[in-house]
Amino acid sequence: KQEVTQIPAALSVPEGENLVLNCSFTDSAIYNLQWFRQDPGKGLTSLLLIQSSQREQTSGRLNASLDKSSGRSTLYIAASQPGDSATYLCAVRQGYKAAGNKLTFGGGTRVLVKP
Amino acid sequence: NAGVTQTPKFQVLKTGQSMTLQCAQDMNHEYMSWYRQDPGMGLRLIHYSVGAGITDQGEVPNGYNVSRSTTEDFPLRLLSAAPSQTSVYFCASRSRVRGQGEKLFFGSGTQLSVL
Repeated sequence: KQEVTQIPAALSVPEGENLVLNCSFTDSAIYNLQWFRQDPGKGLTSLLLIQSSQREQTSGRLNASLDKSSGRSTLYIAASQPGDSATYLCAVRQGYKAAGNKLTFGGGTRVLVKP
Repeated sequence: NAGVTQTPKFQVLKTGQSMTLQCAQDMNHEYMSWYRQDPGMGLRLIHYSVGAGITDQGEVPNGYNVSRSTTEDFPLRLLSAAPSQTSVYFCASRSRVRGQGEKLFFGSGTQLSVL
């Protein structure tokens, strides 16, 4: 059974510092991995999606890397801003049709960027 | 572009009552799903659909029914509400186009309390 872990559960950084968020998964046979952002009381917003054949994906200040063999993904947020404060979740999808297209989510890392 | 719309945003039920959570998307996505989010348990898949007329169970389907009569709508029915169904419910959708088209779009959620 796939298990996804995000450590630490919470992180506080001063504005301007780079953020490094970690995601690890136990079964490396994944189809893709997504990083999401969730603001309090809101739904999830997909930030980046990395296919299993890719090593990284970039969008603006965000960069996500994927190392399937070691079961790890890292989300980098450059030059953090107070508006980046949110909970960040990663989720893996096992296969194109496997397990009902289910995403297995990590518990999230709650980020606070202090002005 | 509304994306994924969920109603209601908040609901309080008494044990044994039934209700329907509504979900509609305007992106012509084939795939729709329902998740529940609970503290310490993360997000878990309840039911999903890969197209109109096709539904299947996720990992926590007991006590819930779904139907998919149109591409746009995917309602979730609670048959006889129980306190264990107190949670935040999210509807999500995505296209079946491989690659970046597989990003998952979430609604803003329904906070349900069962007394």
